[in-house]
Amino acid sequence: GAVVSQHPSRVICKSGTSVKIECRSLDFQATTMFWYRQFPKQSLMLMATSNEGSKATYEQGVEKDKFLINHASLTLSTLTVTSAHPEDSSFYICSARVLDRGTPEAFFGQGTRLTVV
Amino acid sequence: AQTVTQSQPEMSVQEAETVTLSCTYDTSESDYYLFWYKQPPSRQMILVIRQEAYKQQNATENRFSVNFQKAAKSFSLKISDSQLGDAAMYFCAYRGTSGSRLTFGEGTQLTVNP
Repeated sequence: GAVVSQHPSRVICKSGTSVKIECRSLDFQATTMFWYRQFPKQSLMLMATSNEGSKATYEQGVEKDKFLINHASLTLSTLTVTSAHPEDSSFYICSARVLDRGTPEAFFGQGTRLTVV
Repeated sequence: AQTVTQSQPEMSVQEAETVTLSCTYDTSESDYYLFWYKQPPSRQMILVIRQEAYKQQNATENRFSVNFQKAAKSFSLKISDSQLGDAAMYFCAYRGTSGSRLTFGEGTQLTVNP
């Protein structure tokens, strides 16, 4: 399978600061990556679709200015949580598809547990 | 819009026994993909099995198999000879052929009892 690496796995930040989460496709190029948020014992909620070289597409209800997404290369997408607050504490997961291998499934990063104190 | 429903929030099974997790979905598309993903306590999403809607034959991966009923829009996962390592949250997911985004069900927490 393909490898998606997400970093950091855990991060604690103070209220009002910003934190960046990286999502890398290690052995394939990803023109599109997806960012999810997951609360305990709940399903994955799609936040935005990250498109290489263009603006991200955000789901309804997701604040674009708070969750900044940059997809500057075919192997890296970043999610920056700006002016973080305790309610932003959650588990964030990225995923990507491998378009040139004929596999329909998505591959996921390890996830990032964000705690805002 | 597509929806995926998992009606069993929790299931339990004895080690070495068989368990079936249910999933139904709604779509107007004729061709699509269905997946079962496993999320253990580490929270890493792991693909368990996939099914292409155009294939009539049910997918099988070792101890994991699906019962795909296209007309009924049902996609259940059967786990045979359950092992302790099968304990996890299981998500059913849908993807259309024209897009890349996945639609997930609510998840089923599977407990395996020794």
